Amino acid sequence: GAVVSQHPSRVICKSGTSVKIECRSLDFQATTMFWYRQFPKQSLMLMATSNEGSKATYEQGVEKDKFLINHASLTLSTLTVTSAHPEDSSFYICSASIGFGEKLFFGSGTQLSVL
Amino acid sequence: SQQGEEDPQALSIQEGENATMNCSYKTSINNLQWYRQNSGRGLVHLILIRSNEREKHSGRLRVTLDTSKKSSSLLITASRAADTASYFCAQRGKTSYDKVIFGPGTSLSVIP
Repeated sequence: GAVVSQHPSRVICKSGTSVKIECRSLDFQATTMFWYRQFPKQSLMLMATSNEGSKATYEQGVEKDKFLINHASLTLSTLTVTSAHPEDSSFYICSASIGFGEKLFFGSGTQLSVL
Repeated sequence: SQQGEEDPQALSIQEGENATMNCSYKTSINNLQWYRQNSGRGLVHLILIRSNEREKHSGRLRVTLDTSKKSSSLLITASRAADTASYFCAQRGKTSYDKVIFGPGTSLSVIP
């Protein structure tokens, strides 16, 4: 099956620093990538939808300047949490879709802890 | 919110029993998907059922879809301890924006 690689799996940083999370589709070209945020024992909250070569579409309430998404190619999307603060601590998961209406392939997630 | 609901929120059963989880959604869908998540990990796709389908099977999994009620159910038969995980339904819309919205999930514990 298709594989999505997400790195890093865990990051601890100081407040005020920026953190970049990479999401790669290893053996397929992803037309769309999705970024989700998940708090403990809760569901996934869609943050943004990322299409290759175009600007990401952010969900209501998600700060574009805070969570920068770059979908540079059909196999790579990055999420940068800028000037991270403790309230940004969360589990971030990316997923990719091969085509419209198809199932999602998920990365293994990134646990971000901001001190 | 487009999220919909899932019930039960938590389910604890003995190994060998069947587990049923229900999901309701609010908007028209292209398809509905079920995923499994082990603690602290990414999600694994289980089954996709399209809006024109009513039932689908995959191994010990059976999914039903009732578009008139905007609801779906996931049945796991002959459960095993390894089935312990959180299960989420996800609705995929019909628009070109192609969002995938997840339900709140059901936490399943299978006791050996």
